[in-house]
Amino acid sequence: TQLLEQSPQFLSIQEGENLTVYCNSSSVFSSLQWYRQEPGEGPVLLVTVVTGGEVKKLKRLTFQFGDARKDSSLHITAAQPGDTGLYLCAVKTSYDKVIFGPGTSLSVIP
Amino acid sequence: DTAVSQTPKYLVTQMGNDKSIKCEQNLGHDTMYWYKQDSKKFLKIMFSYNNKELIINETVPNRFSPKSPDKAHLNLHINSLELGDSAVYFCASSHYADATNEKLFFGSGTQLSVL
Repeated sequence: TQLLEQSPQFLSIQEGENLTVYCNSSSVFSSLQWYRQEPGEGPVLLVTVVTGGEVKKLKRLTFQFGDARKDSSLHITAAQPGDTGLYLCAVKTSYDKVIFGPGTSLSVIP
Repeated sequence: DTAVSQTPKYLVTQMGNDKSIKCEQNLGHDTMYWYKQDSKKFLKIMFSYNNKELIINETVPNRFSPKSPDKAHLNLHINSLELGDSAVYFCASSHYADATNEKLFFGSGTQLSVL
């Protein structure tokens, strides 16, 4: 059983559309991170959310941490081809391991 | 300047061979990691070193042996390569004292293909 679940697994949309991807768990976390991985590269940290209910914005990307700190969402407004990539959520476990979810692969078609 | 660099970028080898992947970080971080990303893009931690000391070993076969000569380097040596070892291997580093907000910096990966 995976600690983190992400949905959808794959998403293909047209440029200009909005989308939301989700990261869920049955465990409570002190913080949660979102990374984006582009083809041929390593993941790059986008944001860290710490407080339950916290909302952070990064240009057209809006991240929210669930009130119970068990889940998170990433909303992209007016998606662009440059948003294409694998979106990974990650948490640090009590054993000091940074664990990643299975990812959502996003493709934005021009 | 590349913050976390790993070499080689591509590695194609025959089953049974021994190979090494090198990783260096110039960020002054004290913790380094190896992750394995499989064909389904699932990223799984293998090892973690803090100040050259092994702190995480995720039930990886003992054919995999990490070596950290100093805080800036963490190399991965793989003996007797198997078909199932084919994957992309990522090195990463972080500043451990950042606790729950630990930010990982990743290299660009080494794509290993075992034939």
